[in-house]
Amino acid sequence: GAGVSQTPSNKVTEKGKYVELRCDPISGHTALYWYRQSLGQGPEFLIYFQGTGAADDSGLPNDRFFAVRPEGSVSTLKIQRTERGDSAVYLCASSSTGLGDTQYFGPGTRLTVL
Amino acid sequence: KNEVEQSPQNLTAQEGEFITINCSYSVGISALHWLQQHPGGGIVSLFMLSSGKKKHGRLIATINIQEKHSSLHITASHPRDSAVYICAVLYGQNFVFGPGTRLSVLP
Repeated sequence: GAGVSQTPSNKVTEKGKYVELRCDPISGHTALYWYRQSLGQGPEFLIYFQGTGAADDSGLPNDRFFAVRPEGSVSTLKIQRTERGDSAVYLCASSSTGLGDTQYFGPGTRLTVL
Repeated sequence: KNEVEQSPQNLTAQEGEFITINCSYSVGISALHWLQQHPGGGIVSLFMLSSGKKKHGRLIATINIQEKHSSLHITASHPRDSAVYICAVLYGQNFVFGPGTRLSVLP
């Protein structure tokens, strides 16, 4: 079956612009995770959804970052007033029911802020 | 805050060698994942474990909860095993990732 997909695969934007990154989880997976990976580092947790609600958003670095999952499937990570430091690969993962399950990762969106 | 460390940072091995990658963490956790990330970024979950030992093909993962330590072993290593191996611990409701171990297996 289809895995986790993310769009776009690459996004180049200018400092100060608004961007949206999309994640399509595996069908039926209730848990969805967003991570950020900077060059040469391991992934960093951003937010975890259980269904439509954010169960833990403690990893969002500041209020410029926001994520939604209105129907409990597709999720959108939104970044306002982008800064050069936001440049990273943004990874999405989903799992069947929750934190104790195997996570399936998407290919990531590479965001470059000029 | 849970600190996750991995060793070695980089590892080069000859094909066929037995490989061990270590992960240690500072605070009690409920689960630990081993992930494999190939060049180009794709991440694959290898194991999720909370106690004992798991085996899948040539890969073996162990965890010692008391010592706050886990190891990933690769037997009969092959060049296709070349990747970054990342340990991630479930701490509270989020995951804390280690910095990764870059493995290169030479033919």
